[in-house]
Amino acid sequence: QVQLVESGGGLVKPGGSLRLSCEASGFIFSDFYMSWLRQAPGKGPESVSDISASGYTIDYADSVKGRFTISRDNANNSLFLLMNNLRAEDTAVYYCARGRAYSHGIRDLWGQGTLVTVSS
Amino acid sequence: DIQLTQSPSSLSASVGDRVTITCRASQRITNYLNWYQQKPGKAPKLLIYGSTNLQSAVPSRFSGSGSGTDFILTISSLQPEDFATYYCQQSYGTPNTFGQGTRLEIK
Repeated sequence: QVQLVESGGGLVKPGGSLRLSCEASGFIFSDFYMSWLRQAPGKGPESVSDISASGYTIDYADSVKGRFTISRDNANNSLFLLMNNLRAEDTAVYYCARGRAYSHGIRDLWGQGTLVTVSS
Repeated sequence: DIQLTQSPSSLSASVGDRVTITCRASQRITNYLNWYQQKPGKAPKLLIYGSTNLQSAVPSRFSGSGSGTDFILTISSLQPEDFATYYCQQSYGTPNTFGQGTRLEIK
């Protein structure tokens, strides 16, 4: 079954850290760009970070640059997002998503999401 | 960043109605415009990519059009399962950005 399953969300205090994971199955993970996106309550989705199939090309939204780190383990079909120095405005549902072949900005497969709440 | 403005923000319609949702980009993005459907508590689902291309397994009542700055999502005959929020997204520039959404409700 082709799917993405996120984990690692939770409640964290401002300034704290969390590591999100996304496990892929049913497709050749190492062939695809992968992304983390987030969606705050009542808002549209927002791109957080992208990583190329090899892991050599990485992009971040300005709002998370220097605080978040994306990585992947192609041997274990896994994507990660390490989030440091978390702020209240990082509160959102975080989704991992697959970039469509040859056009990675098109996200054709999404996980179910994991909720991150930053609050004291 | 490229801004996307959707209209209307919300829409009430009945089963069987034809519905159109508009997305306007703040600069020309050729045809790098995609549409997603999101139901409450679920992840977005890709419907249309490249302005006009129907994603696999998406019903043919969904269609997309437009180029440059103005784009339209059309649902030809609303079904009960189509009541959801719809987002446009541009994949022309980095960062990819999304519209604010159009909530489609049952009249």
